Amino acid sequence: EAQVTQNPRYLITVTGKKLTVTCSQNMNHEYMSWYRQDPGLGLRQIYYSMNVEVTDKGDVPEGYKVSRKEKRNFPLILESPSPNQTSLYFCASGAGGFFSEAFFGQGTRLTVV
Amino acid sequence: DQQVKQNSPSLSVQEGRISILNCDYTNSMFDYFLWYKKYPAEGPTFLISISSIKDKNEDGRFTVFLNKSAKHLSLHIVPSQPGDSAVYFCAARRKGAQKLVFGQGTRLTINP
Repeated sequence: EAQVTQNPRYLITVTGKKLTVTCSQNMNHEYMSWYRQDPGLGLRQIYYSMNVEVTDKGDVPEGYKVSRKEKRNFPLILESPSPNQTSLYFCASGAGGFFSEAFFGQGTRLTVV
Repeated sequence: DQQVKQNSPSLSVQEGRISILNCDYTNSMFDYFLWYKKYPAEGPTFLISISSIKDKNEDGRFTVFLNKSAKHLSLHIVPSQPGDSAVYFCAARRKGAQKLVFGQGTRLTINP
């Protein structure tokens, strides 16, 4: 079954404690991206990757890092989480072009206290 | 600067009737538009899309209309079914850009 898998689904952490949210896709997609969803703002892109070792900033990259060492994985790293990073996070993948965000993961709800 | 706007946070429609969800955009460089549907505790799922060279695209009960002069698109669902109750996001892509710009979402509730 084609899918994008995120882990964990829920996470509560404290300010400053480094964390990683994993994202894996099984469709051999070249394009992957991370979005955050906040009330009244819709989804905003954090980072995207067009292929292995190729990443670039989206609209709201501050406080986040990513890496793309393998095609299937695109982890999101928060080196020093802050309360304003409390949000719902989605990973997406696609073949690229017009339809890069073809599939989304189920989401990770992060709370930073 | 919200380039894609869904001005109705919620919409309630009776089962069997038409649901019309609206979306406005400000960037004339957008050339591809998509609608996603999102159920609680799940990620968005792609529903239907339209290129800027078209003004209508239909897929079963779902039709998207694009009015470029008004910078407006709408999603029509006919007939509406209880399973259509979800949050709907419109999104737009600028030619050559590698991101989608999303609206805030509209929560659609289909009443029996």
